[in-house]
Amino acid sequence: VQLVESGGGLVQPGGSLRLSCAASGFPFSSFWMTWVRQAPGKGLEWVANIRQEGSEKYYVDSVKGRVTISRDNAKNSLYLQINSLRAEDTAVYYCAREWHRSTADYAFDIWGQGTMVTVS
Amino acid sequence: QSALTQPPSASGTPGQRVTISCSGSSSNIGGNTVNWYQQLPGTAPKLLIYSSNQRPSGIPDRFSGSKSGTSASLAISGLQSEDEADYYCAAWDDSLNAWVFGGGTKLTVL
Repeated sequence: VQLVESGGGLVQPGGSLRLSCAASGFPFSSFWMTWVRQAPGKGLEWVANIRQEGSEKYYVDSVKGRVTISRDNAKNSLYLQINSLRAEDTAVYYCAREWHRSTADYAFDIWGQGTMVTVS
Repeated sequence: QSALTQPPSASGTPGQRVTISCSGSSSNIGGNTVNWYQQLPGTAPKLLIYSSNQRPSGIPDRFSGSKSGTSASLAISGLQSEDEADYYCAAWDDSLNAWVFGGGTKLTVL
């Protein structure tokens, strides 16, 4: 069971970036997926999540309108498109699997190693 | 300002028991389960406690979680040097339709 992020790098303010997360070892299409970020020296901040078939998506208020989460179940891949990048988007971006045990009982049980995005 | 409130730091000596608190509201902890994540220096977070008080396979029983009302806590007994890490609580918030994290607690083993 593994998640591997890619696509990070150095981007100028106002630019765009598409992050990818390749999943393996589990039935990707059966799970909600999520993105969490961590600015240098700071705590964890949830960014967005997406339902199994992609019909339901949620975002943190600070990225609404600039960020789009998507997935391709045929490719076992999760994506995060970030537009109009700002200095405050500088962070390590982690993808994680959401384990929905039952109603109101969820957790991020598998995490990737993260990909660094630097806006400067 | 995080939606969940944790103390920024905690400490203990080897063998001691330490607890880390996490305070929220009726829309997050009050209505949903709480998870705890451990982040060792330079690594990705790892699920430590789910469903407020359950341990994933491989997590030692030195780690335990509890929840009461709109607050939760993580207890670590028999503290070891390898427990030195950042600990985060998290829960789904029904009002925000978003996951919320605590600000994190840095645990130091003296």
